[in-house]
Amino acid sequence: EPEVTQTPSHQVTQMGQEVILRCVPISNHLYFYWYRQILGQKVEFLVSFYNNEISEKSEIFDDQFSVERPDGSNFTLKIRSTKLEDSAMYFCAVTPLTGGRGTDTQYFGPGTRLTVL
Amino acid sequence: AQSVTQLDSQVPVFEEAPVELRCNYSSSVSVYLFWYVQYPNQGLQLLLKYLSGSTLVKGINGFEAEFNKSQTSFHLRKPSVHISDTAEYFCAVSDTGGFKTIFGAGTRLFVKA
Repeated sequence: EPEVTQTPSHQVTQMGQEVILRCVPISNHLYFYWYRQILGQKVEFLVSFYNNEISEKSEIFDDQFSVERPDGSNFTLKIRSTKLEDSAMYFCAVTPLTGGRGTDTQYFGPGTRLTVL
Repeated sequence: AQSVTQLDSQVPVFEEAPVELRCNYSSSVSVYLFWYVQYPNQGLQLLLKYLSGSTLVKGINGFEAEFNKSQTSFHLRKPSVHISDTAEYFCAVSDTGGFKTIFGAGTRLFVKA
């Protein structure tokens, strides 16, 4: 199973500030995803990312959000101006590259808990 | 579009008893089905998945699930639970194009001694 790390594990920020959440896959991956989980609620899809482009995004992923893979390794989620309702657990997920093809299962990182005050 | 319904928000059960966590899905296309487990303050761990083939899927920690296409269900079962199985369990579905996974609301399994 692929290993995915996320930093920081917990981020506290003031409303209106920008935050960057990082995901570091350990081995070769094809697709990248961000999900969020508001406390006590279901896990919600935000965005998928392939070949340095957004493949799909949900209605949650508005202009305040952006993703990039700036150095070919880290995969980042940026929230430009945080709101109280952005407080949630944010999970990165990856789909491994095997034999030159994408596989079918997403593997999740441990998450970053974002608290907006 | 796909959707997932987990019929029970909480399931309390005594240790060593069997358990079934129910999941129904809807989709107009072929899907992959998954069960994930989330222990307190941790991320999501894949328990098992159905892609194709045999409808009975075995996963880690003694769990299994059965895909029933006619009933659009993918219920998770374990014949004998342990205290350590106490966690949140999420049923999930993705279409076979696989860009995103849709999760159910989760079922909290609480195993009592």
